[in-house]
Amino acid sequence: KNEVEQSPQNLTAQEGEFITINCSYSVGISALHWLQQHPGGGIVSLFMLSSGKKKHGRLIATINIQEKHSSLHITASHPRDSAVYICAPRFPGNQFYFGTGTSLTVIP
Amino acid sequence: KAGVTQTPRYLIKTRGQQVTLSCSPISGHRSVSWYQQTPGQGLQFLFEYFSETQRNKGNFPGRFSGRQFSNSRSEMNVSTLELGDSALYLCASSADRGGINEQYFGPGTRLTVT
Repeated sequence: KNEVEQSPQNLTAQEGEFITINCSYSVGISALHWLQQHPGGGIVSLFMLSSGKKKHGRLIATINIQEKHSSLHITASHPRDSAVYICAPRFPGNQFYFGTGTSLTVIP
Repeated sequence: KAGVTQTPRYLIKTRGQQVTLSCSPISGHRSVSWYQQTPGQGLQFLFEYFSETQRNKGNFPGRFSGRQFSNSRSEMNVSTLELGDSALYLCASSADRGGINEQYFGPGTRLTVT
């Protein structure tokens, strides 16, 4: 069964803090998306990765295929990072399944 | 390069009616996927089209259908609307030239069924 678990569900941080969001999935995957959704609904793809680590600005995504686990890190968090972050593994059959999302609020 | 566009952005329909939503992918992208997002179920995959053929389908009733045209533009149709179909409908396109094929999302169409 294709399952995705994300943690934490909600996260409040002080500006400047280091943030980690975790994603675990049940079966082997070919790739995994990290998505950001702001109020109003628009979704932005932050990363798509199939192995190792990717970095873009203050964002870092890692994936461990053997452990079936991925993390999204935000360094030096800022209020504009406040959003919902969603992981979406691509399971066999080429379909994306989505985590329930982590709602992040960064307080100035 | 223009992003993924969706029309209309907002729509209000009555139970029993049907609705057609449109998605124009990024130029050169051949794959279009559709997703439904509701507060209760989160994001769920509806279907994916590639070169005018449905390549994957999620677990939705037959009232949900779609198609893709030769220019890669895609439409999805929902017939006999139910209150539970109220949702944000998102489409995403990707180049699909092999490899991991990152998806690019449109702004969504917010459908309200009354």
